[in-house]
Amino acid sequence: DAGVTQSPTHLIKTRGQQVTLRCSPKSGHDTVSWYQQALGQGPQFIFQYYEEEERQRGNFPDRFSGHQFPNYSSELNVNALLLGDSALYLCASSLGPDTSTDTQYFGPGTRLTVL
Amino acid sequence: AQSVTQLDSHVSVSEGTPVLLRCNYSSSYSPSLFWYVQHPNKGLQLLLKYTSAATLVKGINGFEAEFKKSETSFHLTKPSAHMSDAAEYFCVVRGTGTASKLTFGTGTRLQVTL
Repeated sequence: DAGVTQSPTHLIKTRGQQVTLRCSPKSGHDTVSWYQQALGQGPQFIFQYYEEEERQRGNFPDRFSGHQFPNYSSELNVNALLLGDSALYLCASSLGPDTSTDTQYFGPGTRLTVL
Repeated sequence: AQSVTQLDSHVSVSEGTPVLLRCNYSSSYSPSLFWYVQHPNKGLQLLLKYTSAATLVKGINGFEAEFKKSETSFHLTKPSAHMSDAAEYFCVVRGTGTASKLTFGTGTRLQVTL
């Protein structure tokens, strides 16, 4: 049973560039959430996708956008990169967006460095 | 809105001694609470979860946590620490319905010494 997978593992970009990160959910899961974890901090919720729509959004600017595909995989896009966007980006999958007891399973993350 | 506060940023124990990682929560309703562990350069792994069933929750690798509503606490314990337990631990609260995002604490780094 494949868990949550993310690509790429590491990425280096320069300020002002754009980046796309990818996530494939755990088998049987249909909901994908994205989190940003800055160095030494806990993960912060960016947004959640279900049925190819953004269902919830955290306190992140519009430079952060996403997409979910019919096969439930997801992309996170960040435009006009800033130095402060350097972080570990985590993807989590779950079954359904509104089940309060469901568990979110995390991928290994993508380490983004902005120079 | 829900939140969690991890009371210690760093805890150091000797191998074979008990572990206590403290977490207090704030929620306007009965919360779902989790503990996740993150080893260096690894993703987050679920240790255990509380979802309004038994107040004493047993997780993986010998960890357990007790939900205490009167104290708004959800502390993580283990009777005997192992070197492999050294990692970052996050207490997490989950919202409900259209606010089902996870809200993480700031983390507690557990150091295990010989």
